Amino acid sequence: EAQVTQNPRYLITVTGKKLTVTCSQNMNHEYMSWYRQDPGLGLRQIYYSMNVEVTDKGDVPEGYKVSRKEKRNFPLILESPSPNQTSLYFCASRPKTSFSGTKEYFGPGTRLTVL
Amino acid sequence: AQTVTQSQPEMSVQEAETVTLSCTYDTSENNYYLFWYKQPPSRQMILVIRQEAYKQQNATENRFSVNFQKAAKSFSLKISDSQLGDTAMYFCAFMKRGNAGGTSYGKLTFGQGTILTVHP
Repeated sequence: EAQVTQNPRYLITVTGKKLTVTCSQNMNHEYMSWYRQDPGLGLRQIYYSMNVEVTDKGDVPEGYKVSRKEKRNFPLILESPSPNQTSLYFCASRPKTSFSGTKEYFGPGTRLTVL
Repeated sequence: AQTVTQSQPEMSVQEAETVTLSCTYDTSENNYYLFWYKQPPSRQMILVIRQEAYKQQNATENRFSVNFQKAAKSFSLKISDSQLGDTAMYFCAFMKRGNAGGTSYGKLTFGQGTILTVHP
């Protein structure tokens, strides 16, 4: 089954304790992204990757890191989480196509709470 | 930069009736795509409908249709014969059209979302 998986689905942590949210897709997609969803703000892009070893900042990258060492994986790293990073996080992927316009395949989401 | 605005934080409709969700966007681009995504309580993001800006014909998908007004930069979603399973948060989204080689990344920009409740 074509899918994007994220782990963990729920995480409660404390300020300053490094954490990683994993993301993996089995569709051989070139493009992958991380979004955060907050009430009244919709989904905002954190980082994206156009291919292996190619990553770039989205709209809200502060406090986050990513890496793309393999095509299928795109982990999100919070080196020193703070309470303002409490949010719902989505990983997404889509294929590289001419002219773009294809749908984004989303993971199930990770609910992160930073105390 | 593109912005997408959904001015209705919440909407409600009776089962079997029709409801329209509003979306406006601001862009200087001429070629782009517009999407409506649905997020039910399960939190899964589901593509509802997609519109290509260079096509004048409004997209339809079963009970879902759009009213795309390019000059007004408006992209509303109409849900006919509403069902209880349509209860969800709905997001409007914009994507700039990329290049022929596919090397231009088309970022997806979302609106704030509209919570739709369908009442029995």
